Amino acid sequence: KAGVTQTPRYLIKTRGQQVTLSCSPISGHRSVSWYQQTPGQGLQFLFEYFSETQRNKGNFPGRFSGRQFSNSRSEMNVSTLELGDSALYLCASSLGGTSITNTEAFFGQGTRLTVV
Amino acid sequence: AQSVTQLGSHVSVSEGALVLLRCNYSSSVPPYLFWYVQYPNQGLQLLLKYTSAATLVKGINGFEAEFKKSETSFHLTKPSAHMSDAAEYFCAVSDPGYSSASKIIFGSGTRLSIRP
Repeated sequence: KAGVTQTPRYLIKTRGQQVTLSCSPISGHRSVSWYQQTPGQGLQFLFEYFSETQRNKGNFPGRFSGRQFSNSRSEMNVSTLELGDSALYLCASSLGGTSITNTEAFFGQGTRLTVV
Repeated sequence: AQSVTQLGSHVSVSEGALVLLRCNYSSSVPPYLFWYVQYPNQGLQLLLKYTSAATLVKGINGFEAEFKKSETSFHLTKPSAHMSDAAEYFCAVSDPGYSSASKIIFGSGTRLSIRP
């Protein structure tokens, strides 16, 4: 079956702009999580959506937001971009239950965002 | 709060030598534990996961990890390194609660290099 698909793969934006990233999870998966990966901070959890509701949230400012649609596809939005937002943004999908099997996360290849 | 510490940001071994990547975790409850691998410009791939069914966990590509509660460790090993093992490896933990199991906290990563 198809894996997790993230679009676009690469993006260049200017400071102050906003950006929307998309993630299509594996069919049947109801949980979508977003992570930011930078050389300095490593992999940091942004938020998780499950059945169209935000279930978990990391420690990021309100400029970072997301949503999930009824087909489980998710979008992440960053407003008023800053240079420090340059990063690889990874999306992961899982079944979303509590057993170890349902928790197993499958990652997309990421969107490389560069803010200039 | 849960956390993961990976000892050594960079490990270099010779081809055919033992690979040992260290991971210590902190958790107030018995956690879910994972090892992920990331190749350049790729997302993360699950190597193995600790399910509490067995302390020695076997994963893909010949990797295995041993859960030691007394040492709060989950070190990753492979008996014989191959050139294709060169990548970044991440240890990760999550709290197996209903809403928290999908919030995966990652370590800072260990870059594994293989010498010919």
